[in-house]
Amino acid sequence: DSGVTQTPKHLITATGQRVTLRCSPRSGDLSVYWYQQSLDQGLQFLIQYYNGEERAKGNILERFSAQQFPDLHSELNLSSLELGDSALYFCASSVDPSPQYFGPGTRLTVL
Amino acid sequence: AQRVTQPEKLLSVFKGAPVELKCNYSYSGSPELFWYVQYSRQRLQLLLRHISRESIKGFTADLNKGETSFHLKKPFAQEEDSAMYYCALSAPSTGANSKLTFGKGITLSVRP
Repeated sequence: DSGVTQTPKHLITATGQRVTLRCSPRSGDLSVYWYQQSLDQGLQFLIQYYNGEERAKGNILERFSAQQFPDLHSELNLSSLELGDSALYFCASSVDPSPQYFGPGTRLTVL
Repeated sequence: AQRVTQPEKLLSVFKGAPVELKCNYSYSGSPELFWYVQYSRQRLQLLLRHISRESIKGFTADLNKGETSFHLKKPFAQEEDSAMYYCALSAPSTGANSKLTFGKGITLSVRP
């Protein structure tokens, strides 16, 4: 167990809806990363937060947003959901230097 | 730009056979290279990082800067090694860590 937790484990929703995925990093880790894993795109980096501030952005859609709170947990908000957003969403955390440790993921199904 | 290439999607071997999972990367600086393993769509688990130069579960990987490769090897495969393996690259910048760029992954199937 890497210590990174994510809720919920599974999420089933309809197109056009909005969902929030939650991540709690390992104790002491200041960096939180979000990744999307899909069959066609593989593992793609979405966004990184470091100690509450956005540090880097990857292939994140404008419909998606994230934030990191003072207690260092992070939330990924996905809105106007489309069928193609169905994927596994992983959160990872780290402390300098790397590596990153991953959570169990949230499986999002958009119907 | 940074890129990780895993040229094969599937490797199927018999138990006890040697395994080599290929990984090539493209990056102009000095990256950090990792291997992650994922069992049955579970969380990714760190298997190896090049700077630690250790052997985990019998796996080793050597960074070859000349060939820009970081192949994962194991002399004798076990059935429990069956999983998805991802090679990943991190390009550290000043300050906090940076993102991981992953290859497409390879499925290792070890038959009894």
